[in-house]
Amino acid sequence: EAQVTQNPRYLITVTGKKLTVTCSQNMNHEYMSWYRQDPGLGLRQIYYSMNVEVTDKGDVPEGYKVSRKEKRNFPLILESPSPNQTSLYFCASSAARGPSGYTFGSGTRLTVV
Amino acid sequence: QKEVEQNSGPLSVPEGAIASLNCTYSDRGSQSFFWYRQYSGKSPELIMFIYSNGDKEDGRFTAQLNKASQYVSLLIRDSQPSDSATYLCAGDSSYKLIFGSGTRLLVRP
Repeated sequence: EAQVTQNPRYLITVTGKKLTVTCSQNMNHEYMSWYRQDPGLGLRQIYYSMNVEVTDKGDVPEGYKVSRKEKRNFPLILESPSPNQTSLYFCASSAARGPSGYTFGSGTRLTVV
Repeated sequence: QKEVEQNSGPLSVPEGAIASLNCTYSDRGSQSFFWYRQYSGKSPELIMFIYSNGDKEDGRFTAQLNKASQYVSLLIRDSQPSDSATYLCAGDSSYKLIFGSGTRLLVRP
């Protein structure tokens, strides 16, 4: 089944404790992206990647890191999480060079206390 | 700041009626527009995309695009209670999709 897999689905952590949210797609998509979704603010792009070893900042990159060492994986790293990073996170991928129809992962609900 | 704007709703319609969802966008460079449906706590699911001015129909759904007015809409015919969800409009802009904050649709049985 074609899908984007995110883990974990739910995570509660403490301020400052490094964490990684994994994202993997099995569709051989070149383009991958991370979004966060907050009430009233909609989906905002954090980082995106056009291909292996090619990443760039989105609209809200502060406090996040990403890497794209393999085509299928695009992990999101929070080096020192803070409470304002409490949010619902989605990974997405698409086949085209730019964002055509995204396929979204199932989401990660992160709470930082 | 390039934006996509939607009325947050809720838009309430009776079962069997036509639901009309609208959005406007500010980036005249946007070429492609997408409608996603998102159930509470779930990930967005692509319903339709449209690239050209005019209408595009797929089953009960019709997307409409007017680039001169920078306006996109989604019509849902014969609305069902299962259509109750938040509908996100998105436009492409510089290697990303810019999303509106969504319109909540409630279909009353």
